[in-house]
Amino acid sequence: GENVEQHPSTLSVQEGDSAVIKCTYSDSASNYFPWYKQELGKRPQLIIDIRSNVGEKKDQRIAVTLNKTAKHFSLHITETQPEDSAVYFCAVTNQAGTALIFGKGTTLSVSS
Amino acid sequence: GAVVSQHPSWVICKSGTSVKIECRSLDFQATTMFWYRQFPKQSLMLMATSNEGSKATYEQGVEKDKFLINHASLTLSTLTVTSAHPEDSSFYICSCPGQGITDTQYFGPGTRLTVL
Repeated sequence: GENVEQHPSTLSVQEGDSAVIKCTYSDSASNYFPWYKQELGKRPQLIIDIRSNVGEKKDQRIAVTLNKTAKHFSLHITETQPEDSAVYFCAVTNQAGTALIFGKGTTLSVSS
Repeated sequence: GAVVSQHPSWVICKSGTSVKIECRSLDFQATTMFWYRQFPKQSLMLMATSNEGSKATYEQGVEKDKFLINHASLTLSTLTVTSAHPEDSSFYICSCPGQGITDTQYFGPGTRLTVL
């Protein structure tokens, strides 16, 4: 089955710095790659996603890049703010309507 | 976006009792719903896929007789934790594929189960 690895497990940055989180996956048929932000005790919140037909997508301070050949995708957060502090999960799926397989998560801490 | 609700949001029960958690899609029909479990400081782990009109599909290592799933209608799936024990204490979250672009998932707010 699909295996998703996420690094780093923890990331501490200063306010204003950039943060990068990377995920690798094993199933070359995977075609949907969302990123979620989860605050303590709450549901995961979709922050950005990318499908296999594009290599990069950007939404204000957040961007995702996808390298299908190498089977990895990354989340980039620029100009980090304290409110960006949370746990971030990557996920993959290989078929519309099927369940997501999640990475183990990255705890991001942004200090002011 | 689509709205998914869960009930209850939290529950505390004694060891040995059964607990039912409901997942509802409020403004769309969901023939499929997914149940995840999340232990503290861990990731979301898929437990099972709930299918309207047929049996649920369980992931390896998840006991189907302990975690009963019933997809009663196109808008409701229930997860019953039978004979709950302290090790079942966790955050249970459901999700539904969206209509149209079905690879997008909509998550319920989660249910915090604490078994004493």
